[in-house]
Amino acid sequence: ETGVTQSPTHLIKTRGQQVTLRCSSQSGHNTVSWYQQALGQGPQFIFQYYREEENGRGNFPPRFSGLQFPNYSSELNVNALELDDSALYLCASSLEEADTQYFGPGTRLTVL
Amino acid sequence: GNSVTQMEGPVTLSEEAFLTINCTYTATGYPSLFWYVQYPGEGLQLLLKATKADDKGSNKGFEATYRKETTSFHLEKGSVQVSDSAVYFCALSDLGANSKLTFGKGITLSVRP
Repeated sequence: ETGVTQSPTHLIKTRGQQVTLRCSSQSGHNTVSWYQQALGQGPQFIFQYYREEENGRGNFPPRFSGLQFPNYSSELNVNALELDDSALYLCASSLEEADTQYFGPGTRLTVL
Repeated sequence: GNSVTQMEGPVTLSEEAFLTINCTYTATGYPSLFWYVQYPGEGLQLLLKATKADDKGSNKGFEATYRKETTSFHLEKGSVQVSDSAVYFCALSDLGANSKLTFGKGITLSVRP
């Protein structure tokens, strides 16, 4: 059974640029959640996708957007990058929307 | 809103010492409770969970009991190993429409040989 995978591992961008992060959910899982983890902090919920629809959103501005594909993989897009967007971005998948979440290794984004 | 409070860290212990990491929560309703562990340079791994009051989650020698009366979910291990060195996060999820997790700040555990 393949676990949750994320790409890329690391990414460096400059302020104002746009970035796309990718996540492949664990086999059989139809729900993907995204979290932002700033250095030294716990992860913060960005949003969740369930069967290709957004299913809840945390306190993040609209420049954070997402997508889920028919195979349940997902993308996180961030526009107009700011320095404070530098963080580890974690993707988690679950069997159903209210089930236990299993995390990928994360993408480390640095904004200069 | 929901929140999770973890004891301040870091924590440094000698191998084979007893470990307790405190966690308390505030939530509406009856959340599920989790402990996740993060090893250096990695994502989060589910360590254990409990879904209702008085449930005990356990894994790899770690245990935590869901205490509704004290709104706590303290993590314990009887004898820590060097390989347990990591960051530990307590979290809760609502039983609502989605299972978004609310995390504590995490605590770094270092175990000396």
